[in-house]
Amino acid sequence: AIRMTQSPSSLSASTGDRVNITCRASQDINHYLAWYQQKPGKAPKLLIYTVSTLVSGVPSRFSGSASGTDFTLTISCLQSEDLATYYCQQYYGYPITFGQGTRLDTK
Amino acid sequence: QVKLVESGGGVVQPGTSLRLSCAASGFSFSSYALHWVRQAPGKGLEWVADISYDARNEYYADSVRGRFTISRDDFKNTLYLQMSGLRVEDTAVYYCARDEGGGYGYSYPEYWGQGTLVTVSS
Repeated sequence: AIRMTQSPSSLSASTGDRVNITCRASQDINHYLAWYQQKPGKAPKLLIYTVSTLVSGVPSRFSGSASGTDFTLTISCLQSEDLATYYCQQYYGYPITFGQGTRLDTK
Repeated sequence: QVKLVESGGGVVQPGTSLRLSCAASGFSFSSYALHWVRQAPGKGLEWVADISYDARNEYYADSVRGRFTISRDDFKNTLYLQMSGLRVEDTAVYYCARDEGGGYGYSYPEYWGQGTLVTVSS
């Protein structure tokens, strides 16, 4: 199975900060990488697919990028409503696999 | 709008069976692949299984293969997960999710339901 390793596992930041969350794939997954946001007690919400395509309605402060097997989710100017856990997910091969999550909270 | 409502969760003993359902509305059910994804309490997301739009392809996580069966009823717009031989480690919130397409690879869960809790305990 393709392993997705996210870092950091948790992150404290302040409103207005620029935040980067990284996900490393254990092998080439081409561009088949998605990011999800999950708030406590809620279902995950798709933010980005194919590395950098923003889902309609997702604020433009969210962006995604890639360098080889390393993928980054960037929040350019953190807002209070962005406090959540973020997961990367590869859909290049079965089984579909998720990163272990990055919990983002207030500093 | 896309709506997915899971049901069928509950508390069961190890070794028993349970069937989860996911009622869908707001889209052309028969055109999309569907997934089950679970989340153990306080843990991350684990993909469980998916089924293609035409039910010809099913894929499973190694942890559930041979014990769980995914199926769909396009007349009832409902997705199912038949779980047997349940283990304590199957305890989780189970989410159903609609794929972005018909399945057959390179596709991802797009819309998610709110989940149903399955607790396996003696």
